Amino acid sequence: NAGVTQTPKFQVLKTGQSMTLQCAQDMNHNSMYWYRQDPGMGLRLIYYSASEGTTDKGEVPNGYNVSRLNKREFSLRLESAAPSQTSVYFCASRSSPGTSIYQPQHFGDGTRLSIL
Amino acid sequence: SQQGEEDPQALSIQEGENATMNCSYKTSINNLQWYRQNSGRGLVHLILIRSNEREKHSGRLRVTLDTSKKSSSLLITASRAADTASYFCATGQGGDYKLSFGAGTTVTVRA
Repeated sequence: NAGVTQTPKFQVLKTGQSMTLQCAQDMNHNSMYWYRQDPGMGLRLIYYSASEGTTDKGEVPNGYNVSRLNKREFSLRLESAAPSQTSVYFCASRSSPGTSIYQPQHFGDGTRLSIL
Repeated sequence: SQQGEEDPQALSIQEGENATMNCSYKTSINNLQWYRQNSGRGLVHLILIRSNEREKHSGRLRVTLDTSKKSSSLLITASRAADTASYFCATGQGGDYKLSFGAGTTVTVRA
């Protein structure tokens, strides 16, 4: 059972380059999330998708776009990378049966992105 | 802005000792969750406590929630080297599917 899979695991970009981070889950979850983790700041929500066909901004959406390709896949795109986007990016998913809010999130192992 | 704040930021204990960390939050919640993150890995869910619950146990973990003080604590009893990790609290509000994470407590368990 793979859970949440993120690709690539590591990437180095130059300022101005574009990049798409991929995320796929095999747990038939409805909701998916993208976070960034910076030292001393915990996780900050970039975008999320409560269900297939919907996406919403989180706390720090500027400079990013997302696509909920289907129920399994949720990608994050950096159109013009900046050094401030150097971070570790985590994708997560969550089951949302009915209207229950008492569900944990399941995380991938992250993409470590450096922008020079 | 982040909802939760963990305290202390770092904690170093001897194997076999208990580890306690605290989480404070700002606005009313419907649930609070604790996650563990091992170095270089993603977060792993440990325990969820609902706003109408005061205490919850799972194995060597004990979580308390005091909604009047807007705070929670995570106790790890009889710590092991494998408990070395960062621990994060996360809060859910309203009917939202989102969580707000704190900055975490780094726990080091010395053999």
